[in-house]
Amino acid sequence: RKEVEQDPGPFNVPEGATVAFNCTYSNSASQSFFWYRQDCRKEPKLLMSVYSSGNEDGRFTAQLNRASQYISLLIRDSKLSDSATYLCVVNDQAGTALIFGKGTTLSVSS
Amino acid sequence: GAVVSQHPSRVICKSGTSVKIECRSLDFQATTMFWYRQFPKQSLMLMATSNEGSKATYEQGVEKDKFLINHASLTLSTLTVTSAHPEDSSFYICSTSGPDTYGYTFGSGTRLTVV
Repeated sequence: RKEVEQDPGPFNVPEGATVAFNCTYSNSASQSFFWYRQDCRKEPKLLMSVYSSGNEDGRFTAQLNRASQYISLLIRDSKLSDSATYLCVVNDQAGTALIFGKGTTLSVSS
Repeated sequence: GAVVSQHPSRVICKSGTSVKIECRSLDFQATTMFWYRQFPKQSLMLMATSNEGSKATYEQGVEKDKFLINHASLTLSTLTVTSAHPEDSSFYICSTSGPDTYGYTFGSGTRLTVV
């Protein structure tokens, strides 16, 4: 059973669009949740942590539903520079390895 | 911010040879280093966890005699792919947990191509 599942996409959207990504995780005891961004052939970079109360960082909003083991990321007013692969990441315990989903590819066009 | 320097960024080697990948934490001590591998269109998969001064812990299905990990100091961890084969061609990336409790710092990755 896959630990972190994501829709791989690709999501092809025009500039200015709103796009939502979803993710589910299998371990109900997982403690920390993140969205990372990975550009082609580069290392992943932390986009934002995800909290149960939901959190927003500019155009990005992340939500966590522990009961459903579901995580989401909403990107508003998409920019060309948002084109990348978005990785849903879970951590079962602080200091242990991160568990990555396969990623969802976003392509924003003008 | 915290930096993990990973070298080489790209390497092409002949089948049967060995390749060493280095990860150095530049401004903090990395007690633990995680080594991941990523095949095209796949997720980063944990290969092994190394702790300074002790033997690495390998994930199921990862051959410890093929992927040698050394973490002899708090600032340097190495992964050696021995007797590389074309199926070992992948993107290898290291990560520390830290410097703060909930942060993770990644190296820039090594793209290995075995011909």
